Formats: sequence, structure tokens, C-alpha cells
Amino acid sequence: AQSVTQLDSQVPVFEEAPVELRCNYSSSVSVYLFWYVQYPNQGLQLLLKYLSGSTLVKGINGFEAEFNKSQTSFHLRKPSVHISDTAEYFCAVSGPGGSYIPTFGRGTSLIVHP
Amino acid sequence: EAGVAQSPRYKIIEKRQSVAFWCNPISGHATLYWYQQILGQGPKLLIQFQNNGVVDDSQLPKDRFSAERLKGVDSTLKIQPAKLEDSAVYLCASSSSREQTQYFGPGTRLLVL
Repeated sequence: AQSVTQLDSQVPVFEEAPVELRCNYSSSVSVYLFWYVQYPNQGLQLLLKYLSGSTLVKGINGFEAEFNKSQTSFHLRKPSVHISDTAEYFCAVSGPGGSYIPTFGRGTSLIVHP
Repeated sequence: EAGVAQSPRYKIIEKRQSVAFWCNPISGHATLYWYQQILGQGPKLLIQFQNNGVVDDSQLPKDRFSAERLKGVDSTLKIQPAKLEDSAVYLCASSSSREQTQYFGPGTRLLVL
């Protein structure tokens, strides 16, 4: 079985500061990893995904994430955040063990202050 | 390319009433998913369709929830009768067989009073 732990339920940060949202997963087989963003009253939008290849993945809106197999982590980073990045961020894992259906974490609320 | 469409966007009903949600996936996507997202939690899969067949409905409360995808395109999710704990956002997603990525609709926010 797969599971995802998002270590922080809320991350406050000032505008233009860097941010890291943490995600750890557990799985006994190879995995696919995703980060989604959810703006208020909207559905989930894919930020980036890791399926294979380079462990550093670049996504939309200046976000990137690094797959670390030894630490079973897939942390999301952005070097300089904007007010508009305020949203809920979900890490998800899928793979052959789960019929490719992603298991989502509980989400991290990123709050960017001016 | 048009995204996943859902309607209605918002619905308020009283407990024991019935409600239905509609989803139209991205054109050509064979797989369709319905998720329930309770406030403060990540989405939880309710049911997965491959074309018009059910792949996984193990998390669907079948005593009150039902879903269909008759022509392998759009889908409806029904709750009858609704309970207070059904208050949530119901998300529809679709994916193609070529990529392991789900694309989500805007969701339907349900409030049961």
C-alpha cells in the first residue's frame, strides 16, 4: 500500500522569500510522484510530476521538486514566492502497486504575506 | 484543449434529499474518476471508470452513492439520501491511457443541511 505524509499543514512565508513544502511517501514498489495546487473554490491543477529520469523536476509557475529515493521524499520548492502562490498544495503518489490511482496527502496550505 | 467540465458548481440540500453531479471529461480520455474531498483533507477516490466499465468502486458507499458512465464519455454521480457528512467537494478527473496523469475539473461543492 502507498501513503503520503505532508509534514506541514500550514506554511506562512513572506512575499519574495523562498519556500519548501515537504512530502514523504511510502511504497514498496516504484512510484510516480505529483504535486498539485488548489486555489480557493477551484479543482486541482498539476504543478509537476516525476515518472522517471532526472530526479529534479521543473514545473509551472517557477516550482521545482526533487525526487530522493533514499529518503523517500519529494519536496516542492520555489526560490521566490508571490502573493498569488497562496493556495493549498497536495503531494500524491501512484504506481503499479495502486493501479496508477494516486494517493493524496492531506495538503499544505501555503500562505504568502506581503 | 477543453478541460474537465463539472456541474453544478455549488449545491445546497437538506439531509435525506437526493442530488446528482455531472462530469464531462477531456475528449479522448478513457478513464474517469470521482473523488470526494472533505474540508481539510486530500481527495479520496470514490470510483474509477475505464470507458463505461467500473474499475474500482471499493470506496464508494453503495448504500447511498451511485455512479454511471453509460456511453463511455460523461458521467453522473448521485447521492440518495444525503447525510450531513456528505458535505464536501466532489471532484471529477480524467486521464488517457498514454500518460499517468489525472486532470481535474473545478469540482462541485455540496453542503448538506
